Amino acid sequence: NAGVTQTPKFQVLKTGQSMTLQCAQDMNHEYMSWYRQDPGMGLRLIHYSVGAGITDQGEVPNGYNVSRSTTEDFPLRLLSAAPSQTSVYFCATGYMAGQPQHFGDGTRLSIL
Amino acid sequence: KQEVTQIPAALSVPEGENLVLNCSFTDSAIYNLQWFRQDPGKGLTSLLLIQSSQREQTSGRLNASLDKSSGRSTLYIAASQPGDSATYLCAPSSNTGKLIFGQGTTLQVKP
Repeated sequence: NAGVTQTPKFQVLKTGQSMTLQCAQDMNHEYMSWYRQDPGMGLRLIHYSVGAGITDQGEVPNGYNVSRSTTEDFPLRLLSAAPSQTSVYFCATGYMAGQPQHFGDGTRLSIL
Repeated sequence: KQEVTQIPAALSVPEGENLVLNCSFTDSAIYNLQWFRQDPGKGLTSLLLIQSSQREQTSGRLNASLDKSSGRSTLYIAASQPGDSATYLCAPSSNTGKLIFGQGTTLQVKP
C-alpha cells in the first residue's frame, strides 16, 4: 500500500518552461488537493478535487492547472514557470471532504 | 478570511515535560480541525482530527481540545520524548475540505 505518491521529488526548471507534478493514491480517496509551502507563508491551497471530473480553485490558483480524469491521479501543471513558483508542493488526499487528510512527501521545485 | 495563529513559534524543553501548543483561528464556522506533525524535509503526518461538535480527541500521549466558539484549540503532549521533536501544525477545515494552516510550532525535546 503506497499511500500518496508524488513524483518527482526534486526538479529544477528554467523560467518559462512547463512541467507536470504527479500525485497518485491507491486508497480510493475521492478528495485530492495540492498545497504549496513557502517560508513565512505556511501551506496554501492551490487546487482541489472532490471526485473524478470535478476540480475547483483554492487560495493561490494562478499559474497552475489541474485535471482529474481518474480517482487515483491528480496532476498539477505549471504552464509557464516563474521564479515565484519556487516552492515545496504537497499533494493531500482524503476519503471525502472533512475526513482526515494524508499528505505525500512533497516535490521540491526550483525555478531559475 | 480564516486566519490561524500558533503560539509559541518555537519551543525547547527537556525530555519528560508535559507541553501545551496553542492554536487560534478567526472564523469559528469550521467543520473540523486537524493537527499535523512535519519532520524536516518531509510531508505532513496527521495526528488528530476533532470534529466541530467534539470538545477533545486523544491518541496515546496526545490530547487535542477544541473550543469552537472562542476560536481556540490546544495540543497537549504528555511526557515529551526526543522523538517528538518536529513542527506541529494546526489546520481548521471548511466543509469543502479546505485546510487553512498556521505557521506551526517548532518543538525541540532535549535528551
